[in-house]
Amino acid sequence: SAVISQKPSRDICQRGTSLTIQCQVDSQVTMMFWYRQQPGQSLTLIATANQGSEATYESGFVIDKFPISRPNLTFSTLTVSNMSPEDSSIYLCSVSSTYGELFFGEGSRLTVL
Amino acid sequence: GIQVEQSPPDLILQEGANSTLRCNFSDSVNNLQWFHQNPWGQLINLFYIPSGTKQNGRLSATTVATERYSLLYISSSQTTDSGVYFCAVDSPGGSYIPTFGRGTSLIVHP
Repeated sequence: SAVISQKPSRDICQRGTSLTIQCQVDSQVTMMFWYRQQPGQSLTLIATANQGSEATYESGFVIDKFPISRPNLTFSTLTVSNMSPEDSSIYLCSVSSTYGELFFGEGSRLTVL
Repeated sequence: GIQVEQSPPDLILQEGANSTLRCNFSDSVNNLQWFHQNPWGQLINLFYIPSGTKQNGRLSATTVATERYSLLYISSSQTTDSGVYFCAVDSPGGSYIPTFGRGTSLIVHP
C-alpha cells in the first residue's frame, strides 16, 4: 500500500485568496487523483493529475479554479483559487495501485470565511 | 456512468450489535472497495473486494458480482466503528476511475 502525505491538514482562509495543497507519495504511482468532499456529502472527483501534462478535469471543474501540477510520479499540488465559502470542503489526494486499489491521504480540511 | 447506491443511509446502533451495509451497482465492475471515513475525515481502506468474501477481525465483506451487490458486515460493533462507510466501484467500460456511493453514516452508542 502507498503512504500518502498531504499538507496542510487544515486551514482557514479568507474569501478571494488561493491555497495550494501538496500531496507526496512514498512510491512512484501512475494514477493520482484529487477529490473534493463537501460537508455531509460523498466524494467527487475533481481531476486526474497527469505527470508531465495538463490534468484531466471532470465535468463542473475547470483549470482556472483548480490548477493542478504533477511534476513527477510522487508529487502533486492542487490549488483552490479565488476561494469563496462554497469551497469549504475536505480535499483529498488519492493514488491507484496497478490493479486499481485506491489509497487516500489524510485530507485537507479547508474553511473559507 | 455506473450508478452506486448504498443502504441504509443512516444507522444507529448500541455497542455490541451487528449490522449489514449494502452497496448496489448498476453495471459489472473491475474493482470494488469499502472505506471507513472516521470523524476526523480520514478515509481508511477496509476491503478491496471485486468478488468473493473477505474477513478482517470483526469486519467481513462479500461481493456477488453477478448480482451486482456487495455487503459489509460489522459484528460486535464498537464506538470506534462510528463514521461513514463508502463503497466505491469502477466498471470495465469506464476509465478505471472509481465512483463513490453516498455512504452509510453509522453511529455506535456506548
